[in-house]
Amino acid sequence: DAGVIQSPRHEVTEMGQEVTLRCKPISGHNSLFWYRQTMMRGLELLIYFNNNVPIDDSGMPEDRFSAKMPNASFSTLKIQPSEPRDSAVYFCASSVWNSNQPQHFGDGTRLSIL
Amino acid sequence: QQQVKQSPQSLIVQKGGISIINCAYENTAFDYFPWYQQFPGKGPALLIAIRPDVSEKKEGRFTISFNKSAKQFSLHIMDSQPGDSATYFCAASGGTASKLTFGTGTRLQVTL
Repeated sequence: DAGVIQSPRHEVTEMGQEVTLRCKPISGHNSLFWYRQTMMRGLELLIYFNNNVPIDDSGMPEDRFSAKMPNASFSTLKIQPSEPRDSAVYFCASSVWNSNQPQHFGDGTRLSIL
Repeated sequence: QQQVKQSPQSLIVQKGGISIINCAYENTAFDYFPWYQQFPGKGPALLIAIRPDVSEKKEGRFTISFNKSAKQFSLHIMDSQPGDSATYFCAASGGTASKLTFGTGTRLQVTL
């Protein structure tokens, strides 16, 4: 079975540019989560969806961040405009909607904003 | 109340030794407690999980001990191996949501 697929794996761009991160969840999973991981703040939940609907976006740092899930097999996280402090590893995870179901993580996108 | 506190931040154990990582939570609505293992360049992967109706769960060399009254749970890695060197995260969730609250992580190094 294919796991959660994220692209790109690495992204280096200049401050002010738009960045789009992509995620394909595991087929059959109806919950999708976006996380950000840094040394200083650890693993932070940014936003999560259930059945393609955003449920909780309280972790999104500011209006420069937006996320969409147009269908069950695709989600994007967009940063516009990007800033150096957005540099981090961004993970997408998916699961079946239930408190006792594990989340399956992708291998992340390492984002560097110069 | 949503926090999960994890300790220690880092841990060095000799090969064959026991690694112990501890977590504490406040939210009594939490009813699912997984541990995730993360290797460099990879996403976290589920290692083992427990529900509060049992006090211990063992899978191979990995054991979760759960103390509901103290609101604490811990991961024990028996006969630690260099291949166990990774970052370990405890987490918790509750109710109908799949949203996990993660601990801050423990970087484990197993030396020869």
